[in-house]
Amino acid sequence: AQSVSQHNHHVILSEAASLELGCNYSYGGTVNLFWYVQYPGQHLQLLLKYFSGDPLVKGIKGFEAEFIKSKFSFNLRKPSVQWSDTAEYFCAASSFNAGNMLTFGGGTRLMVKP
Amino acid sequence: EAGVAQSPRYKIIEKRQSVAFWCNPISGHATLYWYQQILGQGPKLLIQFQNNGVVDDSQLPKDRFSAERLKGVDSTLKIQPAKLEDSAVYLCASSLVRLPEQFFGPGTRLTVL
Repeated sequence: AQSVSQHNHHVILSEAASLELGCNYSYGGTVNLFWYVQYPGQHLQLLLKYFSGDPLVKGIKGFEAEFIKSKFSFNLRKPSVQWSDTAEYFCAASSFNAGNMLTFGGGTRLMVKP
Repeated sequence: EAGVAQSPRYKIIEKRQSVAFWCNPISGHATLYWYQQILGQGPKLLIQFQNNGVVDDSQLPKDRFSAERLKGVDSTLKIQPAKLEDSAVYLCASSLVRLPEQFFGPGTRLTVL
């Protein structure tokens, strides 16, 4: 069965600290990978996506993620977080063979202290 | 470009009552998804439509949940009768046919008392 797991449920950082959120997936075949962000009181927004090509993808607001096929991972990174990055982050995966339906991880709640 | 619209934004009902949620996808998006997001968890797919046909409803609790997309545009998700465990945010998303990127609406937060 397809699954996505996020290792950290809660992360607390100080401003300017570096961020890395782990994501592992279990999918057969070609996989599409996503990171979504949900700011307090707002709806899910796409941070970045990987379909194919360069395994290092850059998204909005200085976020990036690296697809490591051998590790089934798609970790999210940001070199220096800001207070405004406080949000919940969801990793998700889909495949064309499975109708492009998204399977989400459980989410990581990030709090950035000013 | 207008995003995915959902209404109502909030709904409070008592258990055993019925409730319906509405979604209007982005214009031109033939594929529509309904997800359930329970507090503290990631969204879980309930049903996927392509135009007015159901692609996958294997995760939909069909004894109480139903969904339709009669004209291939907007969609309604209904719960009848509601249970306490149905308290969640119900998200609608849409995408172009055969493309993986989905766009999400603001969701409807349902509280069942």
